[in-house]
Amino acid sequence: DTAVSQTPKYLVTQMGNDKSIKCEQNLGHDTMYWYKQDSKKFLKIMFSYNNKELIINETVPNRFSPKSPDKAHLNLHINSLELGDSAVYFCASSQRQKNTEAFFGQGTRLTVV
Amino acid sequence: GENVEQHPSTLSVQEGDSAVIKCTYSDSASNYFPWYKQELGKGPQLIIDIRSNVGEKKDQRIAVTLNKTAKHFSLHITETQPEDSAVYFCAATSNQFYFGTGTSLTVIP
Repeated sequence: DTAVSQTPKYLVTQMGNDKSIKCEQNLGHDTMYWYKQDSKKFLKIMFSYNNKELIINETVPNRFSPKSPDKAHLNLHINSLELGDSAVYFCASSQRQKNTEAFFGQGTRLTVV
Repeated sequence: GENVEQHPSTLSVQEGDSAVIKCTYSDSASNYFPWYKQELGKGPQLIIDIRSNVGEKKDQRIAVTLNKTAKHFSLHITETQPEDSAVYFCAATSNQFYFGTGTSLTVIP
């Protein structure tokens, strides 16, 4: 069973469109994250949710809106997509209280044309 | 917040040689230091980690050292093999993961 799964794996869309990326974890973790990885491979934290509550919201345009319906899911919705949004987006989860490793999904490669 | 610096950004070694990647961190509250390996087209995966109450940890060909006083930690890979070629990330964390900028390691057969 996949620990952290995100869909879709690839997403190609036109500028101005709205799209969503879904993430689910079956590890029973209390914290989930969204990271953006650009072409230089930098892993930049975007959001962090602990028990469905937002705890970190880095400097991210408000076109990006995370939604956590329950502890096992953290979806990312992006409005009015721009060329600069093209990147690989990773979902991850961890057990924050135990301060242990984060498990990553396989990534979603978003290409905005 | 935490600031994690990682060097070098690229590293090429001959198969069988050793590779060393170094990281420094700024927040003395950080107490958990994982290392991740990211292969092409995949998400980062944990390869080894160390906590602040330990100075060194080894797992087969991989070892990590931590100097809490100097706030730096290093990844050592011995007897490198072509399948070790990947991007490696260090991270420092207390309640939040802060990643280094990554090292692209190439092992030349």
